[in-house]
Amino acid sequence: QLQLQESGPGLVKPSETLSLTCTVSGDSISSSNYYWAWIRQPPGKGPEWIATIYYSGSTYYNPSLKSRVTISVDTSKNQFSLRLTSVTAADTAVYYCARLPRVVVVFDYWGQGTLVTVSS
Amino acid sequence: EIVMTQSPATLSVSPGERATLSCRASQSVGSNLAWYQQKPGQAPRLLIYGAFTRATGIPPRFSGSGSGTEFTLTISSLQSEDFAVYYCQQYYIWYTFGQGTKLEIK
Repeated sequence: QLQLQESGPGLVKPSETLSLTCTVSGDSISSSNYYWAWIRQPPGKGPEWIATIYYSGSTYYNPSLKSRVTISVDTSKNQFSLRLTSVTAADTAVYYCARLPRVVVVFDYWGQGTLVTVSS
Repeated sequence: EIVMTQSPATLSVSPGERATLSCRASQSVGSNLAWYQQKPGQAPRLLIYGAFTRATGIPPRFSGSGSGTEFTLTISSLQSEDFAVYYCQQYYIWYTFGQGTKLEIK
């Protein structure tokens, strides 16, 4: 059974860097069949795609966030990570990691999500 | 950026009745449209992709239709567990979601 679990600080100060890790269990992150992604959802709003990565290291970013975002993968730990720099209150959201099959690039499995609040 | 607009924002329907939710894209996305269901405190769950293909384990009372810029999610006979927020999402150019339709009990 595939499971994705987000981890990282729940509180980040303005102007600092948000760092999250997604640990994948029940499947190999090195599978050629899938991409892996970060999505966030501000309170009361719709989800917003942040970034996607392939096990080979190929990365894809939301143009509106690209200048502040880095996604990376650690195949030895079956994990992938997100860094978001220079955060503001507008970055307060529930952050999800998710899987995308290559054949149909939709988000078919999601982690439970982790709330990150940006506040001093 | 392709903007997804969902209507109505809130839909009140009685159990056992049919619910019809709409989604409009700001430009054509072909059939690259997915629907998700989200319950409070949970992650979204994939219901439909390719505009009309049900995801694994999704019951047949959920159906999707449309192409281009106009899409519909229909729930044929509402069960208690169907009351939730529904999001459409395009994956033609990157990924963008609508703002959601809250389906509530009438």
